[in-house]
Amino acid sequence: AQTVTQSQPEMSVQEAETVTLSCTYDTSESDYYLFWYKQPPSRQMILVIRQEAYKQQNATENRFSVNFQKAAKSFSLKISDSQLGDAAMYFCAYRSAYQLIWGAGTKLIIKP
Amino acid sequence: NAGVTQTPKFQVLKTGQSMTLQCAQDMNHEYMSWYRQDPGMGLRLIHYSVGAGITDQGEVPNGYNVSRSTTEDFPLRLLSAAPSQTSVYFCASSYLGSYNSPLHFGNGTRLTVT
Repeated sequence: AQTVTQSQPEMSVQEAETVTLSCTYDTSESDYYLFWYKQPPSRQMILVIRQEAYKQQNATENRFSVNFQKAAKSFSLKISDSQLGDAAMYFCAYRSAYQLIWGAGTKLIIKP
Repeated sequence: NAGVTQTPKFQVLKTGQSMTLQCAQDMNHEYMSWYRQDPGMGLRLIHYSVGAGITDQGEVPNGYNVSRSTTEDFPLRLLSAAPSQTSVYFCASSYLGSYNSPLHFGNGTRLTVT
């Protein structure tokens, strides 16, 4: 069965600096999709970025980018120029067919 | 567009009571699903549906029932609530055309069973 591991329960970063959140997964499949979602205190789940496993190029969305290492089964999220509004729980998720498998989340704290 | 609408936002039940969490989406998504979120565990899939009349179990289906009579609605039923079902519940939907399609989430229901 697929599993997703986020090894950092909590991370903190100074405002305007860069932070990287880690995610590793385990799968025997070759075709799948990976996502990062953000959950602010409002509880709303917000898509941050997504990556197709067949694409070698790392996805980028403004200040958010990923480092996708398929062989290592690693999918880290880099947030550049951190802002106070980035404070939230961040979840990594693996999707194959009809199910998403989620990591336990990383709480990101932004220090002003 | 309203997106995914979940009701209620909060609910307190006593052990053994039953209730239905409502979920409706207006995006014509084929895929709908229910998750529960517990501290330190991320989200876990309860049930999902790929279209009207089609449902299937996820990772933690015990104690929950679902049905999908229309494309828009996907209610989650707790037949006999237990304290272990205290959690935050999310409904989510997406297109089925590609597994790259992101999930659209409702705002969640915080359920407490005493």
